[in-house]
Amino acid sequence: GAVVSQHPSRVICKSGTSVKIECRSLDFQATTMFWYRQFPKKSLMLMATSNEGSKATYEQGVEKDKFLINHASLTLSTLTVTSAHPEDSSFYICSAQKTGTGGREQYFGPGTRLTVT
Amino acid sequence: AQSVTQLGSHVSVSEGALVLLRCNYSSSVPPYLFWYVQYPNQGLQLLLKYTTGATLVKGINGFEAEFKKSETSFHLTKPSAHMSDAAEYFCAVSRGGADGLTFGKGTHLIIQP
Repeated sequence: GAVVSQHPSRVICKSGTSVKIECRSLDFQATTMFWYRQFPKKSLMLMATSNEGSKATYEQGVEKDKFLINHASLTLSTLTVTSAHPEDSSFYICSAQKTGTGGREQYFGPGTRLTVT
Repeated sequence: AQSVTQLGSHVSVSEGALVLLRCNYSSSVPPYLFWYVQYPNQGLQLLLKYTTGATLVKGINGFEAEFKKSETSFHLTKPSAHMSDAAEYFCAVSRGGADGLTFGKGTHLIIQP
């Protein structure tokens, strides 16, 4: 299988605080991971591409200083929402590509529901 | 640039009837195409994918899709709908490699008993 986990599944934080979301590939190595954001009743929007050992590549319009991404190992990428505000409330989903497979498939995590009060 | 258009934000079919969810794409390079399903408050599960080769692709749960380059389409079908098929369905395109996916807006499939 190709299992991706996310932690936490749900988090509530106060406005102005930071929150970290972890994305792990449990049974495979992932050189590349992706972070998506899903608004209510909307599609998924790619936020950034996370490459192990290098800086993330952010999509246009995504604030890199607000959404900090670290991909320190082949099985772990983290997304930190800094100084969170209510408009950051959303469903965040990560995905991972198996290393060496040509990148034809992404395996998705179950998502993290962030609520900023 | 790539884009995906899913016609119909909501599709309702009777149990046992044919399911047809439409997807059209635009891509400047030969695309990789995917269909994902999402159940409430869950992540995405891959139904099927087209990369190269046979244009009719069979996936899980009895779904299949056909890549038609001339029509830039990748419609998803299932001969007989089941109540458990009720979910949100997303069509997506990528250029392959270490490239993120571009998703359509999704189609909510409703199954009538």
